[in-house]
Amino acid sequence: DIQMTQSPASLSASVGDRVTITCRASQTVSMYLNWYQQRPGKAPKVLIYAASSLQSGVPSRFSGSGSGTEFTLTISSVQPEDFATYYCQQSYSSPRTFGPGTKVEIK
Amino acid sequence: EVQLVESGGGLVQPGGSLRLSCATSGFTGVGYWMSWVRQAPGKGLEWVATIKEDGFEKHYLDSVKGRFTVSRDSAKNSLFLQMNSLRVEDTAVYYCARESRKALIAVAVWDYWGQGTLVTVSS
Repeated sequence: DIQMTQSPASLSASVGDRVTITCRASQTVSMYLNWYQQRPGKAPKVLIYAASSLQSGVPSRFSGSGSGTEFTLTISSVQPEDFATYYCQQSYSSPRTFGPGTKVEIK
Repeated sequence: EVQLVESGGGLVQPGGSLRLSCATSGFTGVGYWMSWVRQAPGKGLEWVATIKEDGFEKHYLDSVKGRFTVSRDSAKNSLFLQMNSLRVEDTAVYYCARESRKALIAVAVWDYWGQGTLVTVSS
């Protein structure tokens, strides 16, 4: 199975800050990497697919990059509604696996 | 508008069974694989099972193989998860999710999710 790791596990940010989350895979997943946002008590929501493509309806302050084993999710200017937990997930091979999540909290 | 609504969760004793349902609307089942993803209390997300649009190809997480069965009724736009021999560690919110293939590389992504149904396995 492909293991996914994320760093940091949590971070505190102020509204307007630039936030970067890193995701690493234990072996290559090529570009088969998605990012999800989950607010407390809610279902996950896809933000980025295929490493860098923005899902329809998602604000352009979200962006993704990377390929192979290392990926990043960037929020260019964090807004109040962005405080949530973010998960990376690989669709390269079965079982599809998620990272452990990064919780973005208000400073 | 695409909607997915799960039902069937509840409290069950270890070794018991439960059947989850997911009613879908706003899209036809043709061309979409469907999945179940779970989240234990306070924990991360874990994929459980996926079924192809024709219902014949299925994939399972190793720890649920032989105990869980995913199925679908395309005529009724519904997805199911039959869970037998339940264990304490199966306690989680279970989400159904629609899988789309996106981008030139046809990456599989869960683009619509239900609100989840809680399954609690406890004596």
